[in-house]
Amino acid sequence: NAGVTQTPKFQVLKTGQSMTLQCAQDMNHNSMYWYRQDPGMGLRLIYYSASEGTTDKGEVPNGYNVSRLNKREFSLRLESAAPSQTSVYFCASSVGGRSYEQYFGPGTRLTVT
Amino acid sequence: AQRVTQPEKLLSVFKGAPVELKCNYSYSGSPELFWYVQYSRQRLQLLLRHISRESIKGFTADLNKGETSFHLKKPFAQEEDSAMYYCALSVGNSGYALNFGKGTSLLVTP
Repeated sequence: NAGVTQTPKFQVLKTGQSMTLQCAQDMNHNSMYWYRQDPGMGLRLIYYSASEGTTDKGEVPNGYNVSRLNKREFSLRLESAAPSQTSVYFCASSVGGRSYEQYFGPGTRLTVT
Repeated sequence: AQRVTQPEKLLSVFKGAPVELKCNYSYSGSPELFWYVQYSRQRLQLLLRHISRESIKGFTADLNKGETSFHLKKPFAQEEDSAMYYCALSVGNSGYALNFGKGTSLLVTP
């Protein structure tokens, strides 16, 4: 099993460009999440999908959109990238429920110039 | 509001010394707490969760509801323990997403 995969690994964008970060999991998990990791800030939740067909905003959703394409895939889109979106983005998945482990992808390092 | 605080950005200890990484939380309900670890060039992974009451790689963490703490401890640190450690709280809203502390970088020197 690959677990949680993310593409691309690295990306450089110019301000105003758009892109989509892809995430897929092969563990038949119900819940999927997008976090961003900034130095000194820990990980913060951008969007989540508690189950297939549902998505909701997290702590820092501005400037992002998501799509839960099916149970496996959960994409994050930046419509008009800004330098403040320079970060490392992590996708995670879980069976769902408070006590369950979240499994993380390897991350996408995004730089917006 | 729920919040997780890790007061130390960096903790440096010698190999064989005890280590304690501090975590305090604020949450009005019954907390579900985790420690996640990120080794260099590896993805974030679960180290332990309070509900399991287990010891992983020699690490333990006890939930102290009176002090609202979930400190991570190990009696004898090893060089391979050097990593970034995150304390996290799972709450019922946000689809059981994790609310992370800012992390503590542990450096174990020989």
